[in-house]
Amino acid sequence: DGGITQSPKYLFRKEGQNVTLSCEQNLNHDAMYWYRQDPGQGLRLIYYSQIVNDFQKGDIAEGYSVSREKKESFPLTVTSAQKNPTAFYLCASRKIGLAGRDTQYFGPGTRLTVL
Amino acid sequence: EDKVVQSPLSLVVHEGDTVTLNCSYEVTNFRSLLWYKQEKKAPTFLFMLTSSGIEKKSGRLSSILDKKELFSILNITATQTGDSAVYLCAADNNAGNMLTFGGGTRLMVKP
Repeated sequence: DGGITQSPKYLFRKEGQNVTLSCEQNLNHDAMYWYRQDPGQGLRLIYYSQIVNDFQKGDIAEGYSVSREKKESFPLTVTSAQKNPTAFYLCASRKIGLAGRDTQYFGPGTRLTVL
Repeated sequence: EDKVVQSPLSLVVHEGDTVTLNCSYEVTNFRSLLWYKQEKKAPTFLFMLTSSGIEKKSGRLSSILDKKELFSILNITATQTGDSAVYLCAADNNAGNMLTFGGGTRLMVKP
């Protein structure tokens, strides 16, 4: 069954804790993305990666970190430095390259709540 | 800085009505405009528009792009309660591989 999976679906964090959100895809997509969505708002880009072992900051990278050790996986760590982490986090992936680009496909999301 | 603006922010209609959602963009090296529907969770892809003036259609949904005036519209005819969702548009550029999203339009269709 091909697609993008995110885990966990819901996550509760105490203030001062780091937490890691998982994102895996088996679509053989080159690029992967992390977005944050706050209630009633659109998607804001946190980080993205176009190839393994390389990633770039998006518009709101402060307080977050990522890694891309494998093509299939792009975990996001929400650190204690992120002042207001309660939000819905969406991972996406996309095929890119000389042959052209497809749309982005999204995972089901992780809802993070800070207690 | 690339920017995408959607209007209206929210809309309430009754079943059977027709709605038009708007998306304007200012994007360097514009490539395409995408529409997504988001219900409770992940956005699902609706349309990708690359050429001006060519309508894309899927059932009761249709969309068109105007690259001269830098906007796109999404039309939904004979709306149903299942059309209730947030509709997102996003602009793609040739410079990178990122999408710039608008803030979304929240559509509620009442029975």
